[in-house]
Amino acid sequence: EAQVTQNPRYLITVTGKKLTVTCSQNMNHEYMSWYRQDPGLGLRQIYYSMNVEVTDKGDVPEGYKVSRKEKRNFPLILESPSPNQTSLYFCASSLSTGGYNEQFFGPGTRLTVL
Amino acid sequence: AQSVTQLGSHVSVSEGALVLLRCNYSSSVPPYLFWYVQYPNQGLQLLLKYTSAATLVKGINGFEAEFKKSETSFHLTKPSAHMRDAAEYFCAVSDQGNQFYFGTGTSLTVIP
Repeated sequence: EAQVTQNPRYLITVTGKKLTVTCSQNMNHEYMSWYRQDPGLGLRQIYYSMNVEVTDKGDVPEGYKVSRKEKRNFPLILESPSPNQTSLYFCASSLSTGGYNEQFFGPGTRLTVL
Repeated sequence: AQSVTQLGSHVSVSEGALVLLRCNYSSSVPPYLFWYVQYPNQGLQLLLKYTSAATLVKGINGFEAEFKKSETSFHLTKPSAHMRDAAEYFCAVSDQGNQFYFGTGTSLTVIP
């Protein structure tokens, strides 16, 4: 089944404890992206990747890192999480770059930073 | 830079009534426009997209949207609401590149 998977789905952590949220897609998509969803703010793009080893900042990259060493994986790293990073995070992928392709979204990761 | 404004964070309609969800965008270049739906505890799913072909775009589940350049709008409509349409709806815009901008969402309630 074609899908985007994220792990973990739920995570409660404490301020400053490094964490990684994994994202994997099995559709051979070139483009991958991370978003955070907050009430009243909609989805905001954190980082995106146009292909292996090519990443760029979205609208709200502060406090986050990403890497794209393999085409199928695009982990989101929070080196020193803070409470303002408590949010619902979505990974998405699309066939190629160009802005006109449908994005396929993962099920989301709900992160709470205490 | 692009941006999206969705008027009305909550919309309620009766079952069988017209659904109208509003989206206005700003873009310095011809945009690509999308509507996504999010059901409770799920990721987003594409309803429809505008990519500079026909201005009236038909999507899944009976939804459609019309691109109006003069009004910078891309409103989503459905002639007859069904209970299963209750969800959160997001309008999104992208330029010719790789950045996407989403609206703040509209929560649709369908009253039986």
